[in-house]
Amino acid sequence: QVQLQQSGPGLVTPSQTLSLTCAISGDSVSSNSAAWNWIRQSPSRGLEWLGRTYFRSKWYSDYAVSVKSRITINPDTSKNQFSLQLNSVTPEDTAVYYCTRDRDASHSRINYFDYWGQGTLVTVSS
Amino acid sequence: QSALTQPASVSGSPGQSITISCTGTNSDVSAYNYVSWYQQHPGKAPKLMIYDVSYRPSGVSNRFSASKSGNTASLTISGLQAEDEAYYYCSSYTSSTTLVFGGGTKLTVL
Repeated sequence: QVQLQQSGPGLVTPSQTLSLTCAISGDSVSSNSAAWNWIRQSPSRGLEWLGRTYFRSKWYSDYAVSVKSRITINPDTSKNQFSLQLNSVTPEDTAVYYCTRDRDASHSRINYFDYWGQGTLVTVSS
Repeated sequence: QSALTQPASVSGSPGQSITISCTGTNSDVSAYNYVSWYQQHPGKAPKLMIYDVSYRPSGVSNRFSASKSGNTASLTISGLQAEDEAYYYCSSYTSSTTLVFGGGTKLTVL
């Protein structure tokens, strides 16, 4: 049974960096078939895929155009987890953030999310 | 990338069947068989109900079925039950190596 456990602050100051971590149990961040994603949800933007990281002989990352200049998703193989960093946040980045597993991913396929973290409400406010 | 188009709400009585549509473009829904459907109850994370257009994960009731025709994917729930009341979201892979979600449909069981 795969479990994803999110951690990170629920309040971030505008212009600062949002940082979240997702610890994986029951699978490996270095899986050759899965990809590890971040998705957020807000009333104004609905569900929004932010990006992913995955390992296929080397590490890859893909990001949504809307956040590409501000986002980094990194794996941490020593702790079997991955992280999200979103720079220069504004109140529009206020959302519930989820980490997810895409079990059947490839370079040309972002497929489906079979496991989700518990969600973290991140509020951007001074 | 624009969101996929779903009706804001649908409703049905217990035992009835309902269908939720999800309309995209030639760059997403019609181009790939990577359409998924998620159920979300208030305060909970979304749950995968359908993947690859029409496949059900283990543990999902066979009352849930789905299909695709051209730019439109559809989710059908038969034998409606009170526990089916939730929001439903579709998603699709896109030609821009990204993924897009629908705006969500609130299902009310009358």
